[in-house]
Amino acid sequence: DSGVTQTPKHLITATGQRVTLRCSPRSGDLSVYWYQQSLDQGLQFLIQYYNGEERAKGNILERFSAQQFPDLHSELNLSSLELGDSALYFCASSAIAGGHNEQFFGPGTRLTVL
Amino acid sequence: GENVEQHPSTLSVQEGDSAVIKCTYSDSASNYFPWYKQELGKGPQLIIDIRSNVGEKKDQRIAVTLNKTAKHFSLHITETQPEDSAVYFCAASIRVSSASKIIFGSGTRLSIRP
Repeated sequence: DSGVTQTPKHLITATGQRVTLRCSPRSGDLSVYWYQQSLDQGLQFLIQYYNGEERAKGNILERFSAQQFPDLHSELNLSSLELGDSALYFCASSAIAGGHNEQFFGPGTRLTVL
Repeated sequence: GENVEQHPSTLSVQEGDSAVIKCTYSDSASNYFPWYKQELGKGPQLIIDIRSNVGEKKDQRIAVTLNKTAKHFSLHITETQPEDSAVYFCAASIRVSSASKIIFGSGTRLSIRP
């Protein structure tokens, strides 16, 4: 158990809908990262937050947005969903934003868009 | 842009034999190279990492080598065991301002034959 929690575990929805994925980082970690893992694909970095502020951006679509709240939990919002958005979405946390340090991954949310 | 290539995509070895996974990266500014193991139904977990001022690092049956000139790094697993079966991801981390962005390889599915 990494100490990172993600909810829900599974999510099934229809095209055009909007969903919110939630992540709670490890106790004491200030940095949260979001990744997308499509079937048989690698991990695509989406976005990073540190202590409530956006810190780095990857290949995140404009239909997707994220935020980190004062209690450090983070939410990833996916809107106008398309079939191709079906994937595993992972959240990871680390203690700091600068430097290179271990990221601890949550168990993921499996999103299915029908 | 930044890119990390990983080979092979699948690897099957006899229990007790060694397994080698190779990665190359494109950005010469990369200076941190973690390796993650992802078991079925779980999030990735860091197994070993190496920084650009080190050529080799070993942890029990796992070792990683780095060749900065050639921009490639490798994971070596010796005396493989059934529990080594998983998907392995290499990654290269680039420091951007006070944050770090990790680019993952596409993964190697390692199977250990009994």
